[in-house]
Amino acid sequence: NAGVTQTPKFQVLKTGQSMTLQCAQDMNHEYMSWYRQDPGMGLRLIHYSVGAGITDQGEVPNGYNVSRSTTEDFPLRLLSAAPSQTSVYFCASSYSYSLVETQYFGPGTRLLVL
Amino acid sequence: GDSVTQMEGPVTLSEEAFLTINCTYTATGYPSLFWYVQYPGEGLQLLLKATKADDKGSNKGFEATYRKETTSFHLEKGSVQVSDSAVYFCALSDPDFSGGYNKLIFGAGTRLAVHP
Repeated sequence: NAGVTQTPKFQVLKTGQSMTLQCAQDMNHEYMSWYRQDPGMGLRLIHYSVGAGITDQGEVPNGYNVSRSTTEDFPLRLLSAAPSQTSVYFCASSYSYSLVETQYFGPGTRLLVL
Repeated sequence: GDSVTQMEGPVTLSEEAFLTINCTYTATGYPSLFWYVQYPGEGLQLLLKATKADDKGSNKGFEATYRKETTSFHLEKGSVQVSDSAVYFCALSDPDFSGGYNKLIFGAGTRLAVHP
């Protein structure tokens, strides 16, 4: 099992550019989510999905889109990058959306927007 | 709204010292509590959890007890090792806040550095 994988590991964008952060898991997990990690603020939830075809917004969704066409993949799209989106992005998955379920995190994507 | 407050780091200790990292929370409902650990260059991984008052979570020599009366979930270890150097995150999931979905609310993280 590879677990949760994320690509790329590091990306530099210019303001206004778009890109997609990839996330995949091979554990057949139903629940997937995206967080961003900023210094002094811990992780904050951007979007989540409870299964293929079902997504919803988290705490900080503005500027980001997601879709879930398969159980395995949950890409995060930045439509028009802004410097405020400079952050480290983590994808996570869990077997179910139960509040006590362990979430498994990917290694992260470090994004710098100039 | 819900929130998690952790002691500021970095925490610097010598090997075999006793570790405490304080964590307190505010929640509208009855949350489950977690400690996640992030080793350098890696994603977060679950260290331990507790789902009801007075539960003690434990793993790898780390312990934390869910204290509802003081809204706390302090992380402790009796004898730290250099390999414990990492960032530790306290987190909660609150059924009243999350609509039944596992939306974690994290503290800011506490960096631990253990020296030989």
